[in-house]
Amino acid sequence: EDKVVQSPLSLVVHEGDTVTLNCSYEVTNFRSLLWYKQEKKAPTFLFMLTSSGIEKKSGRLSSILDKKELSSILNITATQTGDSAIYLCAASGGSNYKLTFGKGTLLTVNP
Amino acid sequence: SAVISQKPSRDICQRGTSLTIQCQVDSQVTMMFWYRQQPGQSLTLIATANQGSEATYESGFVIDKFPISRPNLTFSTLTVSNMSPEDSSIYLCSVATVSTDTQYFGPGTRLTVL
Repeated sequence: EDKVVQSPLSLVVHEGDTVTLNCSYEVTNFRSLLWYKQEKKAPTFLFMLTSSGIEKKSGRLSSILDKKELSSILNITATQTGDSAIYLCAASGGSNYKLTFGKGTLLTVNP
Repeated sequence: SAVISQKPSRDICQRGTSLTIQCQVDSQVTMMFWYRQQPGQSLTLIATANQGSEATYESGFVIDKFPISRPNLTFSTLTVSNMSPEDSSIYLCSVATVSTDTQYFGPGTRLTVL
């Protein structure tokens, strides 16, 4: 059974801090690793990482895929209160394009 | 990315009743999925909505409880049948094209069953 594990489950930091969120996966015929940000109900897409694109960056957010270790990290630098959210990691594999999600990391950024 | 809408945004229902949730996309997409997110939990895939044929359900989910329709490439419905308080969750539809794994999510439906 496919599995995605995220750590930590929750994290509290102060504005300006840098955070690193972790994700490990066990997925048959792994294809992609995705990161989402969930603030209220709907997850919003951040990054997709594959064997042909193992590092992505957008502003203060960046992510790296380590295919050898079957893991990924999401870095957020100079955190802001607006970064407070649940960050979800998901992995895809096989031919049916299903995503398996981790439990998420609840990030709280205090002013 | 596609613009996705869901109706209703939220609802409070009595046990034993059914609720149908609609998902509308502003462009044709290949894949449509329905997820459930129970309180404090992550997203769990209910089924893949197949255009013009029966949905493909994940282990633990059955058609009698969660009937799904997808009459065309831009619209799908999920019905939560004979509801109990355990069905209180956020229900999300997502869409993707066959050329990418990236799924985009609708705004979600928050369901409370009393």
